Amino acid sequence: GENVEQHPSTLSVQEGDSAVIKCTYSDSASNYFPWYKQELGKGPQLIIDIRSNVGEKKDQRIAVTLNKTAKHFSLHITETQPEDSAVYFCAPNAGGSYIPTFGRGTSLIVHP
Amino acid sequence: KAGVTQTPRYLIKTRGQQVTLSCSPISGHRSVSWYQQTPGQGLQFLFEYFSETQRNKGNFPGRFSGRQFSNSRSEMNVSTLELGDSALYLCASGPQRTGANTEAFFGQGTRLTVV
Repeated sequence: GENVEQHPSTLSVQEGDSAVIKCTYSDSASNYFPWYKQELGKGPQLIIDIRSNVGEKKDQRIAVTLNKTAKHFSLHITETQPEDSAVYFCAPNAGGSYIPTFGRGTSLIVHP
Repeated sequence: KAGVTQTPRYLIKTRGQQVTLSCSPISGHRSVSWYQQTPGQGLQFLFEYFSETQRNKGNFPGRFSGRQFSNSRSEMNVSTLELGDSALYLCASGPQRTGANTEAFFGQGTRLTVV
């Protein structure tokens, strides 16, 4: 099955700083790379995703970059705000009958 | 469009009992997946149902089972509860199977506490 590692497990930043979370995967067949955000008391929600034919995707303050050769992809959040405080999960997807595998999560804390 | 609805939100059960959790997917979604979330193990896949058939299963004991109805609503059952089953149980729905590289839409979860 897919081995997924996510780093760091906790990230504490000041409001306005940038945050970067990295996800490393093992299955070279992975071709869909989403990032989910989970706020306290809620289920995870997709915030951005990228497919294997694209190297980078941006949506306002968030971006995802993909390095298929090295088998990792990263979430970038610029100009962080307190409402960005949450747990973020990566979930590389190899399609077919794969077993959905999530990273262990990164707790992002943005201090006002 | 209404989101994924899970009921109940909270449950307290005693060891040895059994429990049934319910998930109503987004209208039109045919795939429902179940996950267990714990601080120690993170988010772990239990199983997926699509068109009333279990399509995929994670590494959980047979005490964990589920089903899906013709309206795509799904139930998950855990028998002979153990303390270690205490967790947040999440369901996610999608228009296609989980392997179709599309977004999973999660409910708010059912918090199960086994005492």
